[in-house]
Formats: sequence, structure tokens, C-alpha cells
Amino acid sequence: EAGVAQSPRYKIIEKRQSVAFWCNPISGHATLYWYQQILGQGPKLLIQFQNNGVVDDSQLPKDRFSAERLKGVDSTLKIQPAKLEDSAVYLCASSLTLGNSPLHFGNGTRLTVT
Amino acid sequence: EDQVTQSPEALRLQEGESSSLNCSYTVSGLRGLFWYRQDPGKGPEFLFTLYSAGEEKEKERLKATLTKKESFLHITAPKPEDSATYLCAVRDAGGTSYGKLTFGQGTILTVHP
Repeated sequence: EAGVAQSPRYKIIEKRQSVAFWCNPISGHATLYWYQQILGQGPKLLIQFQNNGVVDDSQLPKDRFSAERLKGVDSTLKIQPAKLEDSAVYLCASSLTLGNSPLHFGNGTRLTVT
Repeated sequence: EDQVTQSPEALRLQEGESSSLNCSYTVSGLRGLFWYRQDPGKGPEFLFTLYSAGEEKEKERLKATLTKKESFLHITAPKPEDSATYLCAVRDAGGTSYGKLTFGQGTILTVHP
């Protein structure tokens, strides 16, 4: 089975610029998550989708971050404007909805804000 | 709020030297405890799920155990290819966000030949 696909792998931008990340989950996985992983820390949830509806965005800095999941498949995470502290790896994960299934992660996008 | 604390932050072993990693957690109700392995430049890779105290799971040189307050990842006779960051995460049975995992900060394991 194909894994979670993310692009780009790396992105370098200047502060106050905007950036977007793309994620394609595992086929059939209705639940999609975006996590932020700062160097030396564990992943932190930014937003969770169930199909194309938001389940949890309590940790998303909504003044600068936005995310959407049109048609309940692919998802895009956007940052506008970026700050230096946004430098991190942005991980996308997906899971089955039923049961206690694990999350399956993509390899992430490493963002550097200069 | 769910909390997960892992120790030690880093562990250096010689090949063949067995040891354990610790994961302490606080949740209102545990739905599952998950162990992941993360290699540099990669996303976390799922290893185990534990559901209730007393449960154990094994995979090659790794064995995960669970109590009501913590989990251990035992590594028996490790090899250099076991070097990675090991992440522990919990899924709360309650809360408003079914499904999400709350992660610890990870333990960086280095195994020297």
C-alpha cells in the first residue's frame, strides 16, 4: 500500500513570506492530521480532519496558519506570514476512523524561515 | 490535558548491551499507548500499540510493556541499525478530539558497534 505523500520535502523562505504544504493520505483513510515537529521535540498536533470537516484545530495559530481538505482526500497547510519560530518539520498523518488504529506519517516538509 | 514524558533524553549503548526506555503518561482515560521509531529525515514509523496494563508486545529485539502510569521499551542485544529516536504517544479515551495522539519528546538511541 502506498504511504502518505508530502511535498515539498524542503522549503526555505524569508520571514513574512507565505508557504504552502501538500499532503495525500493513504487511500481509504478518512482521518488526516497535520503535526508540527520542532527540532529536538515530539510532534505537536496542529489540526485534525475527519473527511473534509475539522475535528480539532485548538492548537493551530489561526492568525497565520490555515488548512483545508477539499473533497475529503488531499490537504493543504498554509502559513502567511511566516515567522522565524515556524521553522520546523511539518508532518502529515492519516488513519482509519474506526477502532484504535495507529497514525501513519509521511516524511514531512522541513521549513526554514530566515 | 494529556502529558507524556520520556526518559532518558538520550541513550548511548554498545552493541549487545540491553537497556530500557521509559514513557510516563497522564491521561483522563487511556485508549491506547503507541510506540514509534523515527529515523533522521523521516516521519515516525509505527511499532506497537498497547491497550491495557499488563500487556506486552514484541518485535525482533524490542519489547514494549505497559502499566497504569508508564510504559517501557526494552531493547535486547541492540544492533547499530536500532539507532533512532523512539517516540511514545497516548490516545485519550475522552476529550473532544477522537483519534489524535499526544507525543512525548522522544529518546535518542545510539548503538555503537
